[in-house]
Amino acid sequence: LAKTTQPISMDSYEGQEVNITCSHNNIATNDYITWYQQFPSQGPRFIIQGYKTKVTNEVASLFIPADRKSSTLSLPRVSLSDTAVYYCLVGDPLVLKAAGNKLTFGGGTRVLVKP
Amino acid sequence: EAGVVQSPRYKIIEKKQPVAFWCNPISGHNTLYWYRQNLGQGPELLIRYENEEAVDDSQLPKDRFSAERLKGVDSTLKIQPAELGDSAVYLCASSLIRESPLHFGNGTRLTVT
Repeated sequence: LAKTTQPISMDSYEGQEVNITCSHNNIATNDYITWYQQFPSQGPRFIIQGYKTKVTNEVASLFIPADRKSSTLSLPRVSLSDTAVYYCLVGDPLVLKAAGNKLTFGGGTRVLVKP
Repeated sequence: EAGVVQSPRYKIIEKKQPVAFWCNPISGHNTLYWYRQNLGQGPELLIRYENEEAVDDSQLPKDRFSAERLKGVDSTLKIQPAELGDSAVYLCASSLIRESPLHFGNGTRLTVT
């Protein structure tokens, strides 16, 4: 399973765009990139998932370069309520039976949005 | 749709006592996961079920931890006896088979004194 590396923390201000980059140098051909958000005292919540190029939903955008060795989660115009920990996961969602597909969470990136 | 439900929300026990956590996944989700999250760290997978079958329990400390998923729906995670190092948040998640994302409950915060 591809290991991921993210910054430990990031600070931002309300209304700014926040970009969090995740490195996954040994991503496999069938692996997808998935981001989760976690607030204190809650379980992680799915934000976005992608395989290549760009994916956008109502919450965020995910940019994946051609070599797929990294990805960037972009949160547009953040608010105080976006303060959370953001996790990047890499794995093959179609191989859920594989014992090696542990859907491993790293340490995540703690984003603090200031007023 | 109703989310993943876990209980209890909090549990405080003395070391060497047993404890159990319960999880009700989202209806129709065949895959169920138990994660443990220590303070300041990401969740760590303990066990994954496909229906009633535990397909990945390599991270489950089997000397004191056990889990079951009867009828492929609800699941129970048990620790006996608990140790101080077991203090953590225990998260349950579910997903449709062969599809992500994971849907998490809000967890059970266990404190072992």
